[in-house]
Amino acid sequence: KQEVTQIPAALSVPEGENLVLNCSFTDSAIYNLQWFRQDPGKGLTSLLLIQSSQREQTSGRLNASLDKSSGRSTLYIAASQPGDSATYLCAGRVNNYGQNFVFGPGTRLSVLP
Amino acid sequence: KAGVTQTPRYLIKTRGQQVTLSCSPISGHRSVSWYQQTPGQGLQFLFEYFSETQRNKGNFPGRFSGRQFSNSRSEMNVSTLELGDSALYLCASSSGGLLYEQYFGPGTRLTVT
Repeated sequence: KQEVTQIPAALSVPEGENLVLNCSFTDSAIYNLQWFRQDPGKGLTSLLLIQSSQREQTSGRLNASLDKSSGRSTLYIAASQPGDSATYLCAGRVNNYGQNFVFGPGTRLSVLP
Repeated sequence: KAGVTQTPRYLIKTRGQQVTLSCSPISGHRSVSWYQQTPGQGLQFLFEYFSETQRNKGNFPGRFSGRQFSNSRSEMNVSTLELGDSALYLCASSSGGLLYEQYFGPGTRLTVT
C-alpha cells in the first residue's frame, strides 16, 4: 500500500527565506505528482504538476522536482512571503488508469512578517 | 472558465440519516474524484467517475456511493451516517487526459451529530 510522508510537519520562517518542503513515497511507482496548497477551511489550489516523464516544474517562485527512483519530491519556495502561509500537500497518482491519488499529511507553513 | 462548484457548502445531519452532496466539474472535464478530509486521516480517496462510470474506488465501506450524470456533474451519497463521517468532502475535476491535473472545489463541510 502506497504511503506518503511529508517533512517537516510544520515550519515557521521569517519573510524572505528560501525553503524546501519534502515528500516521500513508500512505493516509487508514481505516475504523476502534484503539489497543492490549502488555506484553512478551504479547498486545494493546484501549484505544480510533474508528469512521470519529467523531473521538475517551475512556476514563479516555486520549483518542484521529482526523483522517481527514490520516490521523493521536493517543493522549493524562493523569497517566501506572508501570503505563502498555508498547508502544502503533495499527491501522487498511483496507477496509470484514471485518477487515484494518494496524499501526504501536509506541511503547515507560517511565514512571519 | 468557472471553477469546480460544490453544494451545499455546509451540512448538519443526525446519525443514521443519509446525505447527498453535489459537484459540478469545470466545463469540458469528464473526470470527477471525491475525497474525504479529516484531521486524523488526512485526505483519503473515495472514488472517481469518468464518463458516467466508476473508474477507481478507494477503501471505504459501501455506505459511500456515487454517480455521474451525462453532463459530468457528480453526486456522492452517504447512507446511515456515523459520527466518524464528519469531514470536509472535496471533489476534484480533471479532463481525464494524460496530464490528469486535478482542480478542487471548495468542499462541503459535513457535521454529523
